Amino acid sequence: EIVLTQSPGTLSLSPGERATLSCRASQSVSSSYLAWYQQKPGQVPRLLIYAASSRATGIPDRFSGSGSGTDFTLTISRLEPEDFAVYYCQQYSSSPRVLTFGGGTKVEIK
Amino acid sequence: EVQLVESGGGLVQPGGSVRVSCVDSGFTFSNNYMSWVRQAPGKGLEWLSLIYTGGTTYYADSVKGRFTISRDNSKNTVYLEMNSVRAEDTAVYYCAGGVSRHYFDYWGQGTLVTVSS
Repeated sequence: EIVLTQSPGTLSLSPGERATLSCRASQSVSSSYLAWYQQKPGQVPRLLIYAASSRATGIPDRFSGSGSGTDFTLTISRLEPEDFAVYYCQQYSSSPRVLTFGGGTKVEIK
Repeated sequence: EVQLVESGGGLVQPGGSVRVSCVDSGFTFSNNYMSWVRQAPGKGLEWLSLIYTGGTTYYADSVKGRFTISRDNSKNTVYLEMNSVRAEDTAVYYCAGGVSRHYFDYWGQGTLVTVSS
């Protein structure tokens, strides 16, 4: 089973700064099967990025995804106050057919 | 627009059973892949089970043999039957789904299941 490791665990930044979040897989993941979610305290997770680099409907273009194989990145170009949250990566594998989440990265206000 | 609403959570005794439900008020439920995802208090997200539009099912190893996912397309509803529950099953249970089996477009608001005597 593929394990996703997210780093860092916590990222302390100021509004306006650039955030770079990493998601590393224990085995190669198809780019088509890698997604990112945002979860604010007390709220439901929201899909940000699917297929590694495609923004979901309504997601601002300051959010971008990249990567392939075992290394994927979520970048927030300029942090807005509403972007401080926990971010999860997630993958789908076809053999065995399972989905897994990374442990999350918390982006907090410095 | 898809709106997922879960119900059925509450307090359950260890070893007991509970069924949580999720109703989709959208118009395309029968075309959507649906999953259950849980989040223990203060912890991350854990995928549990996926059901295809035609009823094929898949499970995480942590719940295989104890939990059963099912769907009733005539009622726009997906279910998760949880048996032999343990304290570590205490979590908010979300239904999630969408047009792809690879990720989750839509999420419900979650229902809390607490396993305790």
